Amino acid sequence: DVKVTQSSRYLVKRTGEKVFLECVQDMDHENMFWYRQDPGLGLRLIYFSYDVKMKEKGDIPEGYSVSREKKERFSLILESASTNQTSMYLCASSFPGQPSSYNEQFFGPGTRLTVL
Amino acid sequence: AQTVTQSQPEMSVQEAETVTLSCTYDTSESNYYLFWYKQPPSRQMILVIRQEAYKQQNATENRFSVNFQKAAKSFSLKISDSQLGDTAMYFCAFMKHDNNNDMRFGAGTRLTVKP
Repeated sequence: DVKVTQSSRYLVKRTGEKVFLECVQDMDHENMFWYRQDPGLGLRLIYFSYDVKMKEKGDIPEGYSVSREKKERFSLILESASTNQTSMYLCASSFPGQPSSYNEQFFGPGTRLTVL
Repeated sequence: AQTVTQSQPEMSVQEAETVTLSCTYDTSESNYYLFWYKQPPSRQMILVIRQEAYKQQNATENRFSVNFQKAAKSFSLKISDSQLGDTAMYFCAFMKHDNNNDMRFGAGTRLTVKP
């Protein structure tokens, strides 16, 4: 079974703090993703990575950065946390492209971040 | 850009009955994938069912089936014989046919199955 783990289920930080959210997958997937989930907005893509040291902006990258130094690990960084970044953060991974049976994204349990 | 719309924020159904969740999407792509994901309360998101746009036949997975209408850009999920464990948020998602696998999700429908 594919396993995607996230470093914390719940996190409370203060405004202005630097925050690291870690995600690890054990299935040798090339692609990894960070989403934030907010009520009424669904999941919105922050960043994704299709290879080590590669990254692409998603729909809402402002205020976030990412790091992928190893294939299995994808980190989301909030350089200076703000209250509007209070949200549920979901990490996912997948194989790239073909065949179609491999393009499913596998999700981690999520990190609920509260910024005070 | 692709957009996915789920027009039903909340729905409920009696146990053992059938319910249909709606999803529409907007794209200029001709080949793509559509997904329904389920997120149970406080649990991990899991794939329910997947449809490839070039396939005419509607996908089915046990009690879950889809009604894929490509021309109408509609992708509804039907859950038959609803069970209490089907209570969850359901997200419809769109993915282009490329190697990046980045998805676009709808806002979700919260389904409650009542005993």
